Amino acid sequence: GENVEQHPSTLSVQEGDSAVIKCTYSDSASNYFPWYKQELGKRPQLIIDIRSNVGEKKDQRIAVTLNKTAKHFSLHITETQPEDSAVYFCAASKARPIVGGGNKLTFGTGTQLKVEL
Amino acid sequence: AAGVIQSPRHLIKEKRETATLKCYPIPRHDTVYWYQQGPGQDPQFLISFYEKMQSDKGSIPDRFSAQQFSDYHSELNMSSLELGDSALYFCASSLLTHEQYFGPGTRLTVT
Repeated sequence: GENVEQHPSTLSVQEGDSAVIKCTYSDSASNYFPWYKQELGKRPQLIIDIRSNVGEKKDQRIAVTLNKTAKHFSLHITETQPEDSAVYFCAASKARPIVGGGNKLTFGTGTQLKVEL
Repeated sequence: AAGVIQSPRHLIKEKRETATLKCYPIPRHDTVYWYQQGPGQDPQFLISFYEKMQSDKGSIPDRFSAQQFSDYHSELNMSSLELGDSALYFCASSLLTHEQYFGPGTRLTVT
């Protein structure tokens, strides 16, 4: 099955700096890569996603890049703010474009991001 | 906008008891997923349903079963509870293969 590795496990940055989190996946058939932000005891919140037919996607201060050949994808957060502090999970799935396919997510092990004042 | 609803939010059970967790997906979403998240761990996929039929199965113990009903809500039934079943249980829903949105979770504590 799919295996997703995520690095680093913890990341501390100064407010205003950029943060980068990297993930690799094993299954070349995976074609959907979401990123979730999770605060302690709360639900994972989808913050951005990318599909395999796109190399990069941006949404304000957040961007995700995908290298299908190398099977890795990264989350970039610019101008970090204290409220960005949380655990970030990458995930991968094979989103089957057929009726009833579904797309179970395989998550990375998470990155604890701390933005210091 | 309506979100995924889960009940109960907290549940305390003793070993060997049973528990039932409920999930109400976002309206018009046709796929429901269940995930288990242990302390300090990533969410692990358990099972999913599309249009009331099981569509995929992950690392779900035989002691657990689930189903999706005609109104699209889903229930996760857990029997012979063990201490190791203590975790956050999330339900997520999606429309076909689109984005998955998670509910607030049910925190199960087995004593």
